[in-house]
Amino acid sequence: DQQVKQNSPSLSVQEGRISILNCDYTNSMFDYFLWYKKYPAEGPTFLISISSIKDKNEDGRFTVFLNKSAKHLSLHIVPSQPGDSAVYFCAASDVNYGGSQGNLIFGKGTKLSVKP
Amino acid sequence: DAGVTQSPTHLIKTRGQQVTLRCSPKSGHDTVSWYQQALGQGPQFIFQYYEEEERQRGNFPDRFSGHQFPNYSSELNVNALLLGDSALYLCASSSGLGPQHFGDGTRLSIL
Repeated sequence: DQQVKQNSPSLSVQEGRISILNCDYTNSMFDYFLWYKKYPAEGPTFLISISSIKDKNEDGRFTVFLNKSAKHLSLHIVPSQPGDSAVYFCAASDVNYGGSQGNLIFGKGTKLSVKP
Repeated sequence: DAGVTQSPTHLIKTRGQQVTLRCSPKSGHDTVSWYQQALGQGPQFIFQYYEEEERQRGNFPDRFSGHQFPNYSSELNVNALLLGDSALYLCASSSGLGPQHFGDGTRLSIL
């Protein structure tokens, strides 16, 4: 049973427009959510995170929104650039060892293509 | 400031052999986690090490074992390799409540 789901395997967006990547989760105990970007032949790169006590977090062109009642989060990229083309993974964590994050549970990823 | 480094980059083994993968965490990080990523899937958690102890373990058999050294670096060992162990093995390091930062992984192929 997949606890973190990214239902869109791919997304194509025009340069300069908004990219919206979605993620759903089933475990209400998750308290920390992250987005990672992955280029081929590289490891995942941390983009942005959000704690369950917040509903929005911004960092430059990247904004993550969390809707706890719907168990849904989304990543907005504005404006999208060709260099944003990559696979984006949503991840969640439900463990906190007294001040430290435990294991991350990942979705299967969404491949974003930003066309010039 | 070096990030997470993993070695080797690629490895080819045959069924039944044993393999050791290595990871050096990002400077200032004391926690190391290992993940397995199959093609087309997200990374799956294997285990996490903190203060040289295995603190948490995912749903992987005992053939998968690890170690963390006093300098926080870590090893992942897999015994009795199976064809299904072919995957990208990712190491991530972190500290406190900060996010996990990943290395570029070791691509393991089993023939």
